[in-house]
Amino acid sequence: RKEVEQDPGPFNVPEGATVAFNCTYSNSASQSFFWYRQDCRKEPKLLMSVYSSGNEDGRFTAQLNRASQYISLLIRDSKLSDSATYLCVVRGGFNKFYFGSGTKLNVKP
Amino acid sequence: DVKVTQSSRYLVKRTGEKVFLECVQDMDHENMFWYRQDPGLGLRLIYFSYDVKMKEKGDIPEGYSVSREKKERFSLILESASTNQTSMYLCASCDSPSSGNTIYFGEGSWLTVV
Repeated sequence: RKEVEQDPGPFNVPEGATVAFNCTYSNSASQSFFWYRQDCRKEPKLLMSVYSSGNEDGRFTAQLNRASQYISLLIRDSKLSDSATYLCVVRGGFNKFYFGSGTKLNVKP
Repeated sequence: DVKVTQSSRYLVKRTGEKVFLECVQDMDHENMFWYRQDPGLGLRLIYFSYDVKMKEKGDIPEGYSVSREKKERFSLILESASTNQTSMYLCASCDSPSSGNTIYFGEGSWLTVV
């Protein structure tokens, strides 16, 4: 079983839509959680960290559910520029990072 | 802003050649990593280093070696490049968990072995 699992998508949504991605992780001792955005042929870039209480950054909301071992990302009012692959990243032990395979989002006009 | 710089962005090498990929970070991070990313396989850890001259094998170290002579610099070496090493290579760095959790990536090095 993979340490971190994501639905690869693609999620095809119209501009202005709300879209949500989930990511499950297998190690209950995982310490930190993140969402990264990766554009085609570019490096992953930090979108937001995910805190236990949930956190919001503009149109983006991230949530953590430790009991069910998943994190989520909600994007409201989708823009064309949101089209990208979204990676779920979990920090386990001291130097251990686990990456999901990414969820591809296509926002259509 | 954290800066992780990979000096070689696009390389084409012949089978059997020795390849050096250099990475420099400017945030005094203790930990540095080399990953490769392939379609359908995601990010896979090749090696990481938690201190100068220290290295640990990741999930796919075969065919690779690394060098960390200075804290800011972490090099990936392909001793004898093979076609199955054609990939995008990502260098990354992060601080200790107590100092900051986030991992930062370089822009990537696209290697084609022919």
